[in-house]
Amino acid sequence: AQSVSQHNHHVILSEAASLELGCNYSYGGTVNLFWYVQYPGQHLQLLLKYFSGDPLVKGIKGFEAEFIKSKFSFNLRKPSVQWSDTAEYFCAVIGGATNKLIFGTGTLLAVQP
Amino acid sequence: DTGVSQDPRHKITKRGQNVTFRCDPISEHNRLYWYRQTLGQGPEFLTYFQNEAQLEKSRLLSDRFSAERPKGSFSTLEIQRTEQGDSAMYLCASSADRGGTDTQYFGPGTRLTVL
Repeated sequence: AQSVSQHNHHVILSEAASLELGCNYSYGGTVNLFWYVQYPGQHLQLLLKYFSGDPLVKGIKGFEAEFIKSKFSFNLRKPSVQWSDTAEYFCAVIGGATNKLIFGTGTLLAVQP
Repeated sequence: DTGVSQDPRHKITKRGQNVTFRCDPISEHNRLYWYRQTLGQGPEFLTYFQNEAQLEKSRLLSDRFSAERPKGSFSTLEIQRTEQGDSAMYLCASSADRGGTDTQYFGPGTRLTVL
């Protein structure tokens, strides 16, 4: 069965620090990968996605993610976080002949001003 | 696009009661999904529709749960004989079928509390 692991459950950073959130998935075939973000009091929003092509994907608000097939990973990065990046971040995968998203458990990011 | 809307946003009910939630997808999105999210977890897939056809159902969707999308537009999710374990956020998402994997856009969710 497909699964997604997010190893960092809770991350606390100071403003301007660099961010990397880990995401690993288990599925041997072709995958489509997503990062969603949920700001406090708001609904899930798409941050970025990878379907094919360049494994380095750029999203909104300066976020990027790199798909490394050999490591089954899709880590999220941002060189310099802001207080407004405080949110919960979810990695998700679609694999095989299905349209259902399989989500990780999420990483709660708190950025201190 | 006006976004995915869900109604109600909050529902408190007593154990054993039936509840029904509604989801209105982004207009012209022919795919509609239901997910459930409990505290500390990511959303878990429940079911999805392409137009009015229910194409996939999770094993999480017990026989107390039923979802419909009668005209291929809005959808309802009904839970019969609610249990305390049904307390969760119920999320709806929609997407447009463009011949491959599509991007799902989420609504604000309905938070269900079963007392």
